[in-house]
Amino acid sequence: NAGVTQTPKFRVLKTGQSMTLLCAQDMNHEYMYWYRQDPGMGLRLIHYSVGEGTTAKGEVPDGYNVSRLKKQNFLLGLESAAPSQTSVYFCASTPRRGGETQYFGPGTRLLVL
Amino acid sequence: GQNIDQPTEMTATEGAIVQINCTYQTSGFNGLFWYQQHAGEAPTFLSYNVLDGLEEKGRFSSFLSRSKGYSYLLLKELQMKDSASYLCAVRRSGGFKTIFGAGTRLFVKA
Repeated sequence: NAGVTQTPKFRVLKTGQSMTLLCAQDMNHEYMYWYRQDPGMGLRLIHYSVGEGTTAKGEVPDGYNVSRLKKQNFLLGLESAAPSQTSVYFCASTPRRGGETQYFGPGTRLLVL
Repeated sequence: GQNIDQPTEMTATEGAIVQINCTYQTSGFNGLFWYQQHAGEAPTFLSYNVLDGLEEKGRFSSFLSRSKGYSYLLLKELQMKDSASYLCAVRRSGGFKTIFGAGTRLFVKA
């Protein structure tokens, strides 16, 4: 099992450009999450999904969109990147049953100039 | 409101014991997690507490008091490789969302 993988690992964007971050998991998990992590702050939830075809907003959803067309994939889109979106983005997944930890991908470092 | 507090930094000596505290206030509680995160890497699971008491796993132990909104992570026989950030996280009722603290950066010195 590869676990949770993220593509790309690192990206530099100019303000106003768009991009999509891809998260894939091969553990058949129902729940998937996108977080961002900034210095001095905890992981903050951007969007999450409780199943294929469903998504919901987290704490900091503005400027991001997501889609979960397939159970194993969760995409995070930035339509018009801003310098405030410079961050490390982590995807995570967990099975539906309680007591299970979240399994994190390796992260995507995004720099918006 | 929702809030998780933990110290920003701690320093300890190799071979010693260190306790990292976490206090939380959340609307609804469905378990508390501790994660370890080395610089530039993803968080990795250390422990999970849903009932009051102590959970021991090798050199790591975690304690929970739900009535006090308090947990701690205890690391024994510290090694240099334990230098990392330790994240306290609370899963809210319903099981969908987890709130993370800012993390405690632990420095282990020789």
